[in-house]
Amino acid sequence: EAEVAQSPRYKITEKSQAVAFWCDPISGHATLYWYRQILGQGPELLVQFQDESVVDDSQLPKDRFSAERLKGVDSTLKIQPAELGDSAMYLCASSLHHNEQFFGPGTRLTVL
Amino acid sequence: GQQVMQIPQYQHVQEGEDFTTYCNSSTTLSNIQWYKQRPGGHPVFLIQLVKSGEVKKQKRLTFQFGEAKKNSSLHITATQTTDVGTYFCAGQGFNTDKLIFGTGTRLQVFP
Repeated sequence: EAEVAQSPRYKITEKSQAVAFWCDPISGHATLYWYRQILGQGPELLVQFQDESVVDDSQLPKDRFSAERLKGVDSTLKIQPAELGDSAMYLCASSLHHNEQFFGPGTRLTVL
Repeated sequence: GQQVMQIPQYQHVQEGEDFTTYCNSSTTLSNIQWYKQRPGGHPVFLIQLVKSGEVKKQKRLTFQFGEAKKNSSLHITATQTTDVGTYFCAGQGFNTDKLIFGTGTRLQVFP
């Protein structure tokens, strides 16, 4: 069964460093989402792509976060510089028709 | 902005007991989805409800969408240890693809 791939699975970094996360959605899924999930809370949408275009990045802290999906397939989320409060699980999801979302295993970020 | 709340936050039950989680949106929804997240895992889609008053069943799970399309519930009959996890509802408004996830209900089942 097709799955959403994410790497790395775990990342430990020091504050002020740069980090990057990668996501490969299910083949053929035009819509890609990046979520942040703080322990004990629900996922919060950071950015949504339709093909290579951003359709919603209203909750993305643009002073330090950036996301791209250059060829409309895989995507990268970057944080520079990382802050202590960025420690969370970063989840990538994809969907075919804006309904059911398929989530990847996530990247757990710890900022020291 | 749109908010989605769930109650209870935690529920501990004995295996075989029933369980219900309730979801309430601050705004009328186009549809509502339910996801399950096992400890250490990622959210997995369970179901989507679209119509006012809709009721759907999946084996021991019963999902309901309120008449006003602002609330929903998930009921599990005769819980099993495999039901352990956090259940999230996620609401989608009109003219948007954005899903707003609820606060989640964490279910623990004791054998």
